[in-house]
Amino acid sequence: EIVLTQSPGTLSLSPGERASLSCRASQRASSNYLTWYQQKPGQAPRLLIYGASSRATGIPDRFSGSGSGTDFTLTITRLEPEDFAVYYCQHFGDSLISFGQGTRLEFK
Amino acid sequence: QVQLQESGPGLVKPSQTLSLICTVSGGSINSGAYYWTWIRQPAGKGLQWIGRISVTGSTNYNPSLRSQVAMSVDTSNNQFSLTLTSVTAADTAVYYCAGESIYHWFDPWGQGTLVTVAS
Repeated sequence: EIVLTQSPGTLSLSPGERASLSCRASQRASSNYLTWYQQKPGQAPRLLIYGASSRATGIPDRFSGSGSGTDFTLTITRLEPEDFAVYYCQHFGDSLISFGQGTRLEFK
Repeated sequence: QVQLQESGPGLVKPSQTLSLICTVSGGSINSGAYYWTWIRQPAGKGLQWIGRISVTGSTNYNPSLRSQVAMSVDTSNNQFSLTLTSVTAADTAVYYCAGESIYHWFDPWGQGTLVTVAS
């Protein structure tokens, strides 16, 4: 089972700044099955990026995903106030699902 | 569009069985577009995948929960269910049902239901 490690645990930034969130896999992960979610307090997670780099329907183009192998990145350019939330990466492999522990993006 | 709604008791006693139902609306559970999945989240913590079931009844469970978990599908009522036996306080969490695409991302999600294990 692949273990996903997200860093940093907490990222403190201001609106308008750029955010880079890392998701590192314990072994080579298929880009086809690497997904990112956003979760706000009291809400279910929201699908952001699938296939490592494809934006889900309705997701603004300031969100982008990249990476391959063991290193994946979610980038948010020009942070908006509504982007401050917790972000999770997720992978599918060998019929199992693993989630990273999350990165909290907070106001500086 | 497909929407999901969890239902079930909000309080379960230790050692008893937790049972939840997810009702699918806006589409048929038999469409073949999704696997049907349960995910949970303890308060203030991350997401834990519990398992999935296909419309054919084929299941995959998280190895750490396999001894406790069972899932089923009720196509006549457009529902799928989760059963978790011998619960402890560690099973207290918000439980989400979700549609899992054939590429294994989760969308849509239910709103989540809080289940507390306490006497």
